[in-house]
Amino acid sequence: GAGVSQSPRYKVAKRGQDVALRCDPISGHVSLFWYQQALGQGPEFLTYFQNEAQLDKSGLPSDRFFAERPEGSVSTLKIQRTQQEDSAVYLCASSGRQGFFEKLFFGSGTQLSVL
Amino acid sequence: ELKVEQNPLFLSMQEGKNYTIYCNYSTTSDRLYWYRQDPGKSLESLFVLLSNGAVKQEGRLMASLDTKARLSTLHITAAVHDLSATYFCAANFGNEKLTFGTGTRLTIIP
Repeated sequence: GAGVSQSPRYKVAKRGQDVALRCDPISGHVSLFWYQQALGQGPEFLTYFQNEAQLDKSGLPSDRFFAERPEGSVSTLKIQRTQQEDSAVYLCASSGRQGFFEKLFFGSGTQLSVL
Repeated sequence: ELKVEQNPLFLSMQEGKNYTIYCNYSTTSDRLYWYRQDPGKSLESLFVLLSNGAVKQEGRLMASLDTKARLSTLHITAAVHDLSATYFCAANFGNEKLTFGTGTRLTIIP
């Protein structure tokens, strides 16, 4: 597609439920990022892939968060045993360059609400 | 600590006026970014500033970078309603991830 696509657009989960968020980056983009944006805040880095390799996962808040990109294109962010503090917008972004980049293209995000 | 701070956090401007948003960052950065976000939407890239003294302009928006002062500015000229949005600056500190400021919510009043 023309841009970064994320699904679902909205997700409501009961506390303790597992969720999976999908990201389709721009075709051919090597780098893929996940960010978490709380209400009224700037995005915060979660994790970064270069092709299928997860090079940095320092921003994942706990071991309940897991991300994968097995074939170097589509990525999934999984949150196990969701908690209320996980409620946020999860943004995926991709970039065409390896290593340093000039421009990130963001998806529209998945708004997760944990009740 | 790697920090990016913006001010003001909230800004109401009259149409036709000029104003500047400031972005300070805590340590040496390779590059500085400005993004726009409309309510409920994703982030749109506005500018990427790569070196000291860099200045970029697009329409009524102009961004500049002073790496010695660790300061970037986003200047708005003759504001129009369409510029109402939240503006974020972000820096990367020697790696691939971006550290974002908390954003400046800009409202243009007719």
